[in-house]
Amino acid sequence: KAGVTQTPRYLIKTRGQQVTLSCSPISGHRSVSWYQQTPGQGLQFLFEYFSETQRNKGNFPGRFSGRQFSNSRSEMNVSTLELGDSALYLCASSLQGFEKLFFGSGTQLSVL
Amino acid sequence: KNEVEQSPQNLTAQEGEFITINCSYSVGISALHWLQQHPGGGIVSLFMLSSGKKKHGRLIATINIQEKHSSLHITASHPRDSAVYICAVRSYNTDKLIFGTGTRLQVFP
Repeated sequence: KAGVTQTPRYLIKTRGQQVTLSCSPISGHRSVSWYQQTPGQGLQFLFEYFSETQRNKGNFPGRFSGRQFSNSRSEMNVSTLELGDSALYLCASSLQGFEKLFFGSGTQLSVL
Repeated sequence: KNEVEQSPQNLTAQEGEFITINCSYSVGISALHWLQQHPGGGIVSLFMLSSGKKKHGRLIATINIQEKHSSLHITASHPRDSAVYICAVRSYNTDKLIFGTGTRLQVFP
């Protein structure tokens, strides 16, 4: 069974640009959640999607958005990038959101 | 004060030692997760607990809901256990996951 796949693995952008990250969950998993990890703030919850609906959202500005498609794949978008958005972005999937989480390898975003 | 506190922040051990990592939280929770992160970023979920105790191989996780405290024990530690261990709780009120800052463990041969 394939694991959670995140693309791209690395990304370099400049301030003001926008970026889209992709997450393909384990087959059969309907919940996808996104997290930001930085050396200063650690891991922080961004948002969670279940059956194409955003079920929960963390304390991040509106520049951070996401969506989930009918095949459960999810994308997150960050617009008007800032230097502080440089981080490892991780997604995780689970059957319905309340069970064990399976994490992808993450996308390392650098904003210059 | 953080809603999820872990101790110690850093831990060094000799191979074979018994290791305990602690997690205290201040919010009502529906579940608690123990995660392991190796250098390079990959995170593996070790346990999800809502009560009692779970065991998997050399790893044991316990939770005391009344005291709002959980522990992760590693018996007969091995250098491959070297990683960052992260406690995360799912808030009962908000359903959001709240993370601790992690415990960096190094096990030397």
